[in-house]
Amino acid sequence: KNQVEQSPQSLIILEGKNCTLQCNYTVSPFSNLRWYKQDTGRGPVSLTIMTFSENTKSNGRYTATLDADTKQSSLHITASQLSDSASYICVVSPGWDNDMRFGAGTRLTVKP
Amino acid sequence: NAGVTQTPKFQVLKTGQSMTLQCAQDMNHEYMSWYRQDPGMGLRLIHYSVGAGITDQGEVPNGYNVSRSTTEDFPLRLLSAAPSQTSVYFCASSYSFREKLFFGSGTQLSVL
Repeated sequence: KNQVEQSPQSLIILEGKNCTLQCNYTVSPFSNLRWYKQDTGRGPVSLTIMTFSENTKSNGRYTATLDADTKQSSLHITASQLSDSASYICVVSPGWDNDMRFGAGTRLTVKP
Repeated sequence: NAGVTQTPKFQVLKTGQSMTLQCAQDMNHEYMSWYRQDPGMGLRLIHYSVGAGITDQGEVPNGYNVSRSTTEDFPLRLLSAAPSQTSVYFCASSYSFREKLFFGSGTQLSVL
């Protein structure tokens, strides 16, 4: 059973609109949570990394939030652009050795 | 600065054939890892290495072999290809597993 669940599976928005992607996890204990962007046919690219003590982190138009108590994270994209069309992957680490749990991703399509 | 380079980009094998997927990084990263990405699933860790001469198994190691003779290179060997190994394979590297991962562009492998 995947310990990282992302929603929605896919999302279509119009250019210029904002959107929020969700990540719920059951991984415990918790060390850090990451968001990656994956363009079609490319490898994932890191957007943010948050430790358990951080509740928000921004990278340009991308803002990630974390609630370690409810085990939820969200990625908010502001003023979307066509280039934001990609899959967004949530990754949670319990912190020991190399254990990272990947979500299946949310496929975002931004239309003109 | 090339980052993480994977070759080949595409490969078709027949069942039972063996092959090596190449991965090289020029960032002097100690940590390197291999993942497979299947439709509707998160990336799954195959093998990883925390430095030259040190490798360990991930979540799905069966049917794959790795070695790390240099800091730069981390090849993945398929010993006897099976249709279940049809997937997209990604190599990644970082300074440590707690730091952000840099991914290669992937190898799309089909086993007939």
